[in-house]
Amino acid sequence: KAGVTQTPRYLIKTRGQQVTLSCSPISGHRSVSWYQQTPGQGLQFLFEYFSETQRNKGNFPGRFSGRQFSNSRSEMNVSTLELGDSALYLCASSLGPGALEKLFFGSGTQLSVL
Amino acid sequence: GNSVTQMEGPVTLSEEAFLTINCTYTATGYPSLFWYVQYPGEGLQLLLKATKADDKGSNKGFEATYRKETTSFHLEKGSVQVSDSAVYFCALISNSGGSNYKLTFGKGTLLTVNP
Repeated sequence: KAGVTQTPRYLIKTRGQQVTLSCSPISGHRSVSWYQQTPGQGLQFLFEYFSETQRNKGNFPGRFSGRQFSNSRSEMNVSTLELGDSALYLCASSLGPGALEKLFFGSGTQLSVL
Repeated sequence: GNSVTQMEGPVTLSEEAFLTINCTYTATGYPSLFWYVQYPGEGLQLLLKATKADDKGSNKGFEATYRKETTSFHLEKGSVQVSDSAVYFCALISNSGGSNYKLTFGKGTLLTVNP
């Protein structure tokens, strides 16, 4: 059974650009969550999607958005990139919302904003 | 709101040394508690968990006991190996007032084990 797949693995952008990250959950998992990991702030929750609907949202500005497709794959988008957006973005999947005790993480997308 | 505080690293130990990484939490209700491990270049993996007071989670020689009276969930291992070098995250899940369960993480502790 394939794990959570995130693409691309590495990304370099410049300030003001926008970026789209992709996450394919484990087969059968319908809930996808996104986290931002930085050395200073640790892991911070961005949002959670289930059945193409955002169920939960963290405290991030509106520049951060996401969506989920009918096959449960998810994308997150960051517009007007800032230097502080440089981070490892982790995606995690679970069978459904509230099933966070069985959460599986991908290896992440390392975003560098220059 | 919910929060997790874990000891700041980095922690550097020699092989076979005893490990303790402290973790305390603040949460409403009765949270479930977790330790996750992140090996270099990888995502997080669940190491162990405990869902109620006095429960002990254990895996791969690591242990942690859910202490409600001290709101703590310290991670311990009696004899660490070089392969245990990783970042360790303490985390909790608590219903923040509805059906929206959220996973809250500590900032992580980098452990380096030298041969």
